Amino acid sequence: GENVEQHPSTLSVQEGDSAVIKCTYSDSASNYFPWYKQELGKGPQLIIDIRSNVGEKKDQRIAVTLNKTAKHFSLHITETQPEDSAVYFCAAEYALNFGKGTSLLVTP
Amino acid sequence: KAGVTQTPRYLIKTRGQQVTLSCSPISGHRSVSWYQQTPGQGLQFLFEYFSETQRNKGNFPGRFSGRQFSNSRSEMNVSTLELGDSALYLCASSQGTGRYTGELFFGEGSRLTVL
Repeated sequence: GENVEQHPSTLSVQEGDSAVIKCTYSDSASNYFPWYKQELGKGPQLIIDIRSNVGEKKDQRIAVTLNKTAKHFSLHITETQPEDSAVYFCAAEYALNFGKGTSLLVTP
Repeated sequence: KAGVTQTPRYLIKTRGQQVTLSCSPISGHRSVSWYQQTPGQGLQFLFEYFSETQRNKGNFPGRFSGRQFSNSRSEMNVSTLELGDSALYLCASSQGTGRYTGELFFGEGSRLTVL
């Protein structure tokens, strides 16, 4: 089955800096890669996703890049704000296989 | 539009007991997935139901089971509880009609503590 590895497990940045979270996957047949954000006490929420027919997708301060050859994809958050502090999960294909999460802390 | 509702939100059980958790999906969503969340293991997929049929299953022992009703509401059951079953159990619904499950809409979870 699909195996998703996510790094780092924790990330601390200062407000205004950029944050990058990386994921690798094992199944070359995977074609759909969503990212979810989980705030304290809430369920995860989809923030961006990408399909294999594109290499990059942006939505305001958030972008995701995909390298199918290397089987990795990354989440980029620019101009981080304290409200970006949360746990972020990547997933592959049916979102049945999540990475173990990255706890992002943005300090003012 | 109401979101995904999970009940109960918190519960405490003792080892050996069983527990049933309930999930009401967003109206019109036919797919319901269940996940176990623990600090060390992140989100682990349990199973997915679509139109009352289990469509996918994760790597959990048979003590974990689920079902879906004709109104798409779903329940999961854990029998013979172990201490390691203490976790946040998340339910997610989606339209799930195509090859991709699609965007998952999560509930706030049921926090199970096993003593």
